[in-house]
Amino acid sequence: EPEVTQTPSHQVTQMGQEVILRCVPISNHLYFYWYRQILGQKVEFLVSFYNNEISEKSEIFDDQFSVERPDGSNFTLKIRSTKLEDSAMYFCASTTDRNYEQYFGPGTRLTVT
Amino acid sequence: GENVEQHPSTLSVQEGDSAVIKCTYSDSASNYFPWYKQELGKGPQLIIDIRSNVGEKKDQRIAVTLNKTAKHFSLHITETQPEDSAVYFCAASKGGSYIPTFGRGTSLIVHP
Repeated sequence: EPEVTQTPSHQVTQMGQEVILRCVPISNHLYFYWYRQILGQKVEFLVSFYNNEISEKSEIFDDQFSVERPDGSNFTLKIRSTKLEDSAMYFCASTTDRNYEQYFGPGTRLTVT
Repeated sequence: GENVEQHPSTLSVQEGDSAVIKCTYSDSASNYFPWYKQELGKGPQLIIDIRSNVGEKKDQRIAVTLNKTAKHFSLHITETQPEDSAVYFCAASKGGSYIPTFGRGTSLIVHP
């Protein structure tokens, strides 16, 4: 069964460093999403991406964040200058149509020290 | 914006018992309510969903009920098994973007 994959599973970085989290959505999907979950808190929407552009973003998704689909398979989330409060689990998701089920990847645990 | 509250945060049951998880939402325009199961080391997986034009939906041992007037919805798992042990999230969203707002999650532990 096709699945969303994410790399790395765990990323440790120092405050102020740039990180890129990578996702490979399911191949025939058209809508892509990033969510984050701070430990013990709710899963929060960051951004949605369709047709090579951002379709919606939350207040969390400020100028420090960017997304890109550099080729036909990868979908990346970049954090330019990480802060301690960026430490969280980051989930990528994809779907064929926004009316339908979103398929989530296993997540990347980001630890900022 | 939408706010989803979920209770309880932890639920411990014996194998074979039923489990009920309850959620409330704040935005009366929300019309799609998915439930996700998250096992250790994995991302959330949709297990059942309900749209606002129905009051109940069943899929084998899992059922979801929706009360639009009271703005609450519940997940019912019957004849629980140890493999049902996981974190369950409710969510609410509305037409247009269908971006879900999640509850805080319920850790379900089923003891053999």
